[in-house]
Amino acid sequence: DSGVTQTPKHLITATGQRVTLRCSPRSGDLSVYWYQQSLDQGLQFLIQYYNGEERAKGNILERFSAQQFPDLHSELNLSSLELGDSALYFCASSVGAGPQHFGDGTRLSIL
Amino acid sequence: AQSVAQPEDQVNVAEGNPLTVKCTYSVSGNPYLFWYVQYPNRGLQFLLKYITGDNLVKGSYGFEAEFNKSQTSFHLKKPSALVSDSALYFCAVRDPNYGGATNKLIFGTGTLLAVQP
Repeated sequence: DSGVTQTPKHLITATGQRVTLRCSPRSGDLSVYWYQQSLDQGLQFLIQYYNGEERAKGNILERFSAQQFPDLHSELNLSSLELGDSALYFCASSVGAGPQHFGDGTRLSIL
Repeated sequence: AQSVAQPEDQVNVAEGNPLTVKCTYSVSGNPYLFWYVQYPNRGLQFLLKYITGDNLVKGSYGFEAEFNKSQTSFHLKKPSALVSDSALYFCAVRDPNYGGATNKLIFGTGTLLAVQP
């Protein structure tokens, strides 16, 4: 058990909809990272927050947004969903620049 | 551009034999390198890292990795493979364009390790 909790584990929705994925980092970790894993794109870094502030941005679409709250949990919001957004979305956390610890992911399926 | 290459999509090895999963990198400056393992329907698990120091890094579950600066490689090794080692292995390098409390990782495409009994 990595100590990183992601909910929900599975999400099925339709095109055009909006969803929110939630992540609770390991106790004491200030950094939260979001990744997208798909067969065609592999593992892609989306965004990182450190203690509530955006720290690094990767290949994140404008339809996607994230935030980290004062209690350090984070949410990834995906809107105007398209079929191509179907993927596994992982959250990871770390102490500063240390090794990242991953949650088990949210599997998003767009019908 | 910074990148990581895992040239083998799949590695097959018999149980008890040594295994090697290859990784090469291209990054400016001194690389911070990582290996992660992913089991089915699970997130990635950290195995080991190289930042500086001894070129042979020991990690979890008996794995080790050898850093070779001249060949820009960071191959993952284990002296004796177990069937339970069968999983997807990812090599990653820290993006040097970020510093401080940022550990943005660039991942390779992954190598599926299959250990036959």
